[in-house]
Amino acid sequence: DAKTTQPTSMDCAEGRAANLPCNHSTISGNEYVYWYRQIHSQGPQYIIHGLKNNETNEMASLIITEDRKSSTLILPHATLRDTAVYYCIARRYNQGGKLIFGQGTELSVKP
Amino acid sequence: NAGVTQTPKFQVLKTGQSMTLQCAQDMNHEYMSWYRQDPGMGLRLIHYSVGAGITDQGEVPNGYNVSRSTTEDFPLRLLSAAPSQTSVYFCASTQAPRGVRGWVQYFGPGTRLTVT
Repeated sequence: DAKTTQPTSMDCAEGRAANLPCNHSTISGNEYVYWYRQIHSQGPQYIIHGLKNNETNEMASLIITEDRKSSTLILPHATLRDTAVYYCIARRYNQGGKLIFGQGTELSVKP
Repeated sequence: NAGVTQTPKFQVLKTGQSMTLQCAQDMNHEYMSWYRQDPGMGLRLIHYSVGAGITDQGEVPNGYNVSRSTTEDFPLRLLSAAPSQTSVYFCASTQAPRGVRGWVQYFGPGTRLTVT
């Protein structure tokens, strides 16, 4: 799996967009970019994933640069409940049950 | 549809004791995994299974055994508990991709284990 690099922590004002960056400069062509988050003491929660096109679902948007070396997770209107650690993971399509987690970004949404 | 369930939620063991952490999923997923999370750290993969009867080691397998006799269940056994195994344990099951959309992993609520 390609190594991913994320800032250790970020703050965001409630109601504003939270933009979480991730660097994955060694990503290979068959590796997807996945985002999970972990709210304190709970199991990680899947947010979104993509290969090369931008993706959007009910939780977030994922913007992947054209060269695929970095991506940004966007929470359009952050709430206090979005305070969590966010993990960016690069993994191959056929890796099944294996996810290798890094340290993630601790996002604090403040009133 | 309960998703991924784990029992017990909390457990305290003495050094040298053995126990089994239970994990079950009702989504008919082929792939299941066990992770541990130490305080202030990310998750580390212990063991995983690609289907009934097939298991493999992850990053930190020592001191743990797994077996997968059914699609639904994937228990994790601690053979002789040590204080270094004090951690939160998460089980996960993985939904196979639809088309070429990639895998999605669903996690249970965790088991908090303390070994004294």
